[in-house]
Amino acid sequence: EIVLTQSPTTIAASPGEKVTITCRASSSVSYMYWYQQKPGASPKPWIYDTSKLASGVPNRFSGSGSGTSYSLTINTMETEDAATYYCQQWSSTPPTFGGGTKLELK
Amino acid sequence: QVQLQQSGTELVKPASSVKISCKASGYTFTSNYMHWIRQQPGNGLEWIGWIYPGNGNTKYNQKFDGKATLTADKSSSTAYMQLSSLTSEDSAVYFCATWGSSFDYWGQGVMVTVSS
Repeated sequence: EIVLTQSPTTIAASPGEKVTITCRASSSVSYMYWYQQKPGASPKPWIYDTSKLASGVPNRFSGSGSGTSYSLTINTMETEDAATYYCQQWSSTPPTFGGGTKLELK
Repeated sequence: QVQLQQSGTELVKPASSVKISCKASGYTFTSNYMHWIRQQPGNGLEWIGWIYPGNGNTKYNQKFDGKATLTADKSSSTAYMQLSSLTSEDSAVYFCATWGSSFDYWGQGVMVTVSS
């Protein structure tokens, strides 16, 4: 199965700061998906097909990448963005998720 | 609107089984795959498998073969997952979810605690 490794595991950012989360795949994947999860809640779809924002996601978020390296970027951090973000691939079965990046407010 | 309503918290004993449910509404239940995903405490997400309610076909993550059994009741638009031979390692939150452009819709999750 394809293993997804996210970095950093935890990051703290101040409001207005730029944040980048990286997801590396053990084999090349065609697309990457990202989810946001807050404590006690289900994951929410955030970015699909590598760079498309899910419904309702603010445009300060963006996604990019190809092959084995993908990233999620927040242009200017806001307090509501504090959450855990997971990447996910389904270029091969089983679909797999990264271990998550916890984004905290500094 | 699509809704996936899952059953409640379960406290079960080691070596027993548990069956949790996911009632779907707002879309054609028989025409969409239902996926199940596990989240262990403090850990990430693992895909367990899917069922296609239209014909009952299933596919499992090899890791969960023999552990999880997926079924669906078309008459009530409800998907089920039975977990067997439970150990403490099975303590987790279990989500049902549907795939559209990604895992677009999720249930609220069922916390299963395995303890004597």
